[in-house]
Amino acid sequence: NAGVTQTPKFQVLKTGQSMTLQCAQDMNHEYMSWYRQDPGMGLRLIHYSVGAGITDQGEVPNGYNVSRSTTEDFPLRLLSAAPSQTSVYFCASSYTATYGYTFGSGTRLTVV
Amino acid sequence: EDQVTQSPEALRLQEGESSSLNCSYTVSGLRGLFWYRQDPGKGPEFLFTLYSAGEEKEKERLKATLTKKESFLHITAPKPEDSATYLCAVQAGRSNFGNEKLTFGTGTRLTIIP
Repeated sequence: NAGVTQTPKFQVLKTGQSMTLQCAQDMNHEYMSWYRQDPGMGLRLIHYSVGAGITDQGEVPNGYNVSRSTTEDFPLRLLSAAPSQTSVYFCASSYTATYGYTFGSGTRLTVV
Repeated sequence: EDQVTQSPEALRLQEGESSSLNCSYTVSGLRGLFWYRQDPGKGPEFLFTLYSAGEEKEKERLKATLTKKESFLHITAPKPEDSATYLCAVQAGRSNFGNEKLTFGTGTRLTIIP
């Protein structure tokens, strides 16, 4: 099993550009989430999904979109990048709501 | 609003010197408290889930305990490879979906000196 795979690992965007962060898991997990990690602020939930076709907003959803067309994939779209979105983004998946999440290795995004 | 506070922010120990990390929390209806380990440049790695006060879990040199207000991660006779940032997170039992979000603390950066 590859676990949770995130691509790309690094990305530099100009303000106003859009892009999609990819996340795929091969563990047949129903629950998937996107977090961002900023210094001194801890991990914060952006969006999450409890299964294919079902998504909901987390703590900091503005400027991001998600969709879940398959169990395996949960892409995160940045609509119009802003410097405030410079962060490290983690995708995570879990078998159940209260089981420990498996995290990907992260995407380090810089918006200039 | 759910809150998680971890202390200390950083801790340096000599190899073999035991200590504890603290995670204080406020949450409406705790569903689970999680401990993760994060190495530099990597994603968090799941260690434990605790569900109710009085529960304890162990893994190698780590033992996690839970009360109604806080959790402790005890590290016994640590080795340099235990150096990492340890994250605590809580999950509340409010969501209709059953996938309640995790609220994370900012972590304790642990350094074990050989």
